[in-house]
Amino acid sequence: EAGVAQSPRYKIIEKRQSVAFWCNPISGHATLYWYQQILGQGPKLLIQFQNNGVVDDSQLPKDRFSAERLKGVDSTLKIQPAKLEDSAVYLCASSSDRVGSYEQYFGPGTRLTVT
Amino acid sequence: AQKVTQAQTEISVVEKEDVTLDCVYETRDTTYYLFWYKQPPSGELVFLIRRNSFDEQNEISGRYSWNFQKSTSSFNFTITASQVVDSAVYFCALSEAGYGGATNKLIFGTGTLLAVQP
Repeated sequence: EAGVAQSPRYKIIEKRQSVAFWCNPISGHATLYWYQQILGQGPKLLIQFQNNGVVDDSQLPKDRFSAERLKGVDSTLKIQPAKLEDSAVYLCASSSDRVGSYEQYFGPGTRLTVT
Repeated sequence: AQKVTQAQTEISVVEKEDVTLDCVYETRDTTYYLFWYKQPPSGELVFLIRRNSFDEQNEISGRYSWNFQKSTSSFNFTITASQVVDSAVYFCALSEAGYGGATNKLIFGTGTLLAVQP
């Protein structure tokens, strides 16, 4: 079974530029998550989708971050305009909605550097 | 509010030593889930274990074991006979039970960097 796919793996941009990250979850997983991991910290949830609906986006900086999950499969996270403090690893995860299957499986992440 | 504390920032051991990683959590919910993830230098978070709040039975998987104690709100992780390949950052995480069986967000601790020297 293929894991969570993310691209690109690395991205370097200048502040005020825009950037987009893509995630393809494990096949059949209804729930998709985007986490931000700043160096030296644990991941922090940005947004959670259940199929193509948003479950939790309370910690998403909506003035600059946006995300969508069209057709309930893959997802795109966008930052516009980027700030220096957005430098982090952006992790995508997915989980099944079967009762008892609560594990979130993570992709390799996208390392963003804003200069 | 939910919170996970991993007080050990870094631990260094010599190969074959046993090592315990501490995790203390806070939650007001009666139903919750606890997790351990491993993050090797490659960066990908690898799921290790999930524990339900209503199941305090300890678990052993090969060289790994987990001790869950609700009375002290702790979920500690022990690696027996550590190996160099165990070197990684280990995260403890907590989540509430969500509707429909799907988990809500994971609240992560700050992680413990384990360095196993040959």
